Amino acid sequence: AQSVAQPEDQVNVAEGNPLTVKCTYSVSGNPYLFWYVQYPNRGLQFLLKYITGDNLVKGSYGFEAEFNKSQTSFHLKKPSALVSDSALYFCAVRDDSNYGGSQGNLIFGKGTKLSVKP
Amino acid sequence: DSGVTQTPKHLITATGQRVTLRCSPRSGDLSVYWYQQSLDQGLQFLIQYYNGEERAKGNILERFSAQQFPDLHSELNLSSLELGDSALYFCASSVVARTVRNEQFFGPGTRLTVL
Repeated sequence: AQSVAQPEDQVNVAEGNPLTVKCTYSVSGNPYLFWYVQYPNRGLQFLLKYITGDNLVKGSYGFEAEFNKSQTSFHLKKPSALVSDSALYFCAVRDDSNYGGSQGNLIFGKGTKLSVKP
Repeated sequence: DSGVTQTPKHLITATGQRVTLRCSPRSGDLSVYWYQQSLDQGLQFLIQYYNGEERAKGNILERFSAQQFPDLHSELNLSSLELGDSALYFCASSVVARTVRNEQFFGPGTRLTVL
């Protein structure tokens, strides 16, 4: 079964410092990986995705993610955190399993709460 | 703004009742997905429709059903509601059902509270 894991429930970072939010995945075929962000009382916003190609993917709001096949990881990064980056971050993998006729729905991790302090 | 709209924003009802959640996808998107977000289960996929037809089912209870109409809007029907159904229900849309470059755009959600 395909899955993603976000090992940290919360990440605390000082403003201006680099941040990393971790994600590992388990898939049977090629991984199609996504990061979404959820601000309080809002829906999920798409940040970036990895389909194929360069292992470093650049996304919205200065975020990037590094795909590492050998470590089955897709960590989200940002060189300099902002207080406004504080939110809940979800890693997701596209479900390509045949079970239940899945057609591209997403399997989400539990989410990591990012807190950036001034 | 993702372009996906959901109504109502909030819904408070009693156990045993039935409610309908509505979603309008982004203009041009043919696929609609429903997700449930709760504290204990996280974000879980419920069901997907593509151009009016059911395409995939996830962890959707038999008490729940959905449909997609010719104008592509979708409705999620929840019946015989239980306390544990209290959650945030998201709708997402994408252009097609299954392409490698496809990402989903999420609506703001409907918060359902069952008392």
